[in-house]
Amino acid sequence: ILNVEQSPQSLHVQEGDSTNFTCSFPSSNFYALHWYRWETAKSPEALFVMTLNGDEKKKGRISATLNTKEGYSYLYIKGSQPEDSATYLCAFSGFQKLVFGTGTRLLVSP
Amino acid sequence: DVKVTQSSRYLVKRTGEKVFLECVQDMDHENMFWYRQDPGLGLRLIYFSYDVKMKEKGDIPEGYSVSREKKERFSLILESASTNQTSMYLCASTSGSLNTGELFFGEGSRLTVL
Repeated sequence: ILNVEQSPQSLHVQEGDSTNFTCSFPSSNFYALHWYRWETAKSPEALFVMTLNGDEKKKGRISATLNTKEGYSYLYIKGSQPEDSATYLCAFSGFQKLVFGTGTRLLVSP
Repeated sequence: DVKVTQSSRYLVKRTGEKVFLECVQDMDHENMFWYRQDPGLGLRLIYFSYDVKMKEKGDIPEGYSVSREKKERFSLILESASTNQTSMYLCASTSGSLNTGELFFGEGSRLTVL
């Protein structure tokens, strides 16, 4: 059974704080690591799909790193804003099988 | 703008009813997926389809069937709804590989089975 774990389960920060989450996944049979943002009452939307060890990707104030050898990825949000409030999902892809973590729920207070 | 549309945002059905959840995408994607999301669990794959009339079981196919008669439409069918099928159902599609293709999701259908 493939296990994808995300931590923390939830996080409450103040506007302007920087924050980061962790996604842990199996280090074998790695194809890709996906990050999605899911705002309440909206569709999950893709942030990043990462395939190479050492990969770093950035979209505005959000960035992600990938370590496939040790099986983890970090998602960073710099200067959190209330509109960043959402559940952040990671998904590990190992040979035609995408396994999602349970997500990190972020709440950013003004 | 790419779009995945699910037919119903909220449904309430009775135990034993047949339930259809429809999903349409306008991006000409080959691959389409049905997931369910329950509290404390990650998204779990029910079925996916990589081409018209082709389907593959996911991790939790029991109690479900699917239909893909046209490329843009992927239907999830609950032959006889049960209370343990109360859940949020998400449809997704991708044109990329099953491993690295970015998924495009619908807004979800929240089903309650009484």
